[in-house]
Amino acid sequence: DIQVTQSPSSLSSSVGDRVTITCRASQSIHTYLNWYQHKPGKAPQLLIHAASSLQSGVPLRFSGSGSGTDFTLTISSLQSEDFATYYCQQTYSVPTFGQGTKVEMK
Amino acid sequence: QVQLVESGGGVVQPGRSLRLSCEASGFTFSSHGMHWVRQAPGKGLEWVAVISYDGSKKYYADSVKGRCTISRDNSKSTLFLQVDSLRPEDTAVYYCAREKTYSSFVNFDHWGLGTLVTVSS
Repeated sequence: DIQVTQSPSSLSSSVGDRVTITCRASQSIHTYLNWYQHKPGKAPQLLIHAASSLQSGVPLRFSGSGSGTDFTLTISSLQSEDFATYYCQQTYSVPTFGQGTKVEMK
Repeated sequence: QVQLVESGGGVVQPGRSLRLSCEASGFTFSSHGMHWVRQAPGKGLEWVAVISYDGSKKYYADSVKGRCTISRDNSKSTLFLQVDSLRPEDTAVYYCAREKTYSSFVNFDHWGLGTLVTVSS
């Protein structure tokens, strides 16, 4: 199976900060990479698909980039509702998720 | 709107079986592949299984292969996951998710709220 490794595992930020989360695949996955947001007790929400395409209804402050093995999720200006855990997912082969990045309030 | 509602979770003893259900509404269920994903307490998301739109293809994570069976009833817009020989490490919230495919790209564009399975004696 293809492994995906996220970093950092957690981070502390303030409202208005720029936040960057990275995801590295164990082999090239081209752009078969999605990003999800998950809050406790809620359904996970798709943010970015195919590495850089913003899912309908997702705020423009979220963006994704990368191809091959290295990918990035960026939140340009963190809002209070963005405190959550974020996961990358590769779908080049049998789906696998990164271990998650918890974004906490500083 | 798209809704996915899981049910069937609960407390079950090790070695026993459980059948989870996911009732879908708001879209043409028979047109989409469907997945099960789980989250153990304090852990991240783990993909479990997928079934194609017509039920002809099924794939499983190595961690559940041989103990899980995914199935669907398109006439009732319902997805199932049978888990046998339950182990404590199967304790998790189980989510169903709709697959969205365009070109060859796949994502999970809608998820349910999950159902909690606790394996304990």
